[in-house]
Amino acid sequence: QQQVKQSPQSLIVQKGGISIINCAYENTAFDYFPWYQQFPGKGPALLIAIRPDVSEKKEGRFTISFNKSAKQFSLHIMDSQPGDSATYFCAASKRGGGADGLTFGKGTHLIIQP
Amino acid sequence: NAGVTQTPKFQVLKTGQSMTLQCAQDMNHEYMSWYRQDPGMGLRLIHYSVGAGITDQGEVPNGYNVSRSTTEDFPLRLLLAAPSQTSVYFCASSYSFLPGQGLEKLFFGSGTQLSVL
Repeated sequence: QQQVKQSPQSLIVQKGGISIINCAYENTAFDYFPWYQQFPGKGPALLIAIRPDVSEKKEGRFTISFNKSAKQFSLHIMDSQPGDSATYFCAASKRGGGADGLTFGKGTHLIIQP
Repeated sequence: NAGVTQTPKFQVLKTGQSMTLQCAQDMNHEYMSWYRQDPGMGLRLIHYSVGAGITDQGEVPNGYNVSRSTTEDFPLRLLLAAPSQTSVYFCASSYSFLPGQGLEKLFFGSGTQLSVL
């Protein structure tokens, strides 16, 4: 059972455009939703994260939008740059039972064309 | 500050061989874990540890063993390598784990690319 569904699998955006990656979750016990960024040959690194008590979190060009009732959250990359080309993973974990780690989506391969 | 160090970076094994993937962290993190990454499958948890002497199974533990004798080290052992274990393996650690509070920021190593022929 896939608890976090991520789409699209791959995405091509022109430089300066907005990149949008979506995730949906099933477990209502999840209460922490991070996004990880992975460059080729490297391990994933935490990019930005949100808790369900807010509907949006912004850090620079990166914004998470969160819809608790729909059980969906998304990553928006404004003014996308070639250096943003990477694989992005959404994830979720739950308070009180998180020892078994984060549940990851399957990833989105993002290409920003110059 | 080295963070999470994995060795080797690349390894080729024959079916039936055994080997150990090494992972060390110098951040005094209590939580450590192993993930495997396969195309189109995302990251799947193999084993994890919440402290020295404590380990538990994740989503895909079969064919792998772990031990945690020190806070710093968390080796992953492949007992009898199989082609299905061809993957990229990541070790990750976290400072932010307290019972009842859940897991937050993970620090990943740079990975070990393993091929089993």
